[in-house]
Amino acid sequence: QKEVEQNSGPLSVPEGAIASLNCTYSDRVSQSFFWYRQYSGKSPELIMSIYSNGDKEDGRFTAQLNKASQYVSLLIRDSQPSDSATYLCALGFQKLVFGTGTRLLVSP
Amino acid sequence: EAGVTQFPSHSVIEKGQTVTLRCDPISGHDNLYWYRRVMGKEIKFLLHFVKESKQDESGMPNNRFLAERTGGTYSTLKVQPAELEDSGVYFCASSQVGGRTGVETQYFGPGTRLLVL
Repeated sequence: QKEVEQNSGPLSVPEGAIASLNCTYSDRVSQSFFWYRQYSGKSPELIMSIYSNGDKEDGRFTAQLNKASQYVSLLIRDSQPSDSATYLCALGFQKLVFGTGTRLLVSP
Repeated sequence: EAGVTQFPSHSVIEKGQTVTLRCDPISGHDNLYWYRRVMGKEIKFLLHFVKESKQDESGMPNNRFLAERTGGTYSTLKVQPAELEDSGVYFCASSQVGGRTGVETQYFGPGTRLLVL
């Protein structure tokens, strides 16, 4: 079993819809969780971090963490074509453990 | 403020040759990390420097890989001799612990794409 599991996608949503990206993990002691966005050929860019159970909102992005169920999700509201990218779930402190990423395609 | 930079952006070498990758972290960042993504796999941790000291090198695949950070500024990652399975994208990231909260954000460089033939 991988430490961090993500559906590779692609996840296709129409412009303006909500994109929901999910991630499950196996390490129960993890305290820090991150969502990175990576455009093709570019560096991963941190878009959200979450450390406690519940929701954390930042603009169109909402991260949700449920430590009991060991999952973390990312919601993107009002999806735009520019959101089309690979979204990487990561966890850990300093030594980050990544999932393989979910490719999101937002169609105009 | 300049981000994390890496050089070269691409490298194609033959099996058995040596390649040295360079990473310049964001100025003032004490933490420097190396990660690698092999095709089709997830990004994996290689090692972590705090200033010039190796804090954690548990992800280094074998002794063909040597990382240095002399002076605590830029870092190099040398692969000698390179093997086919070393092909992938090598990312560098840097961070500085965030004040009272202790929260740390790792900023990634664009990566070096290494192809070993």
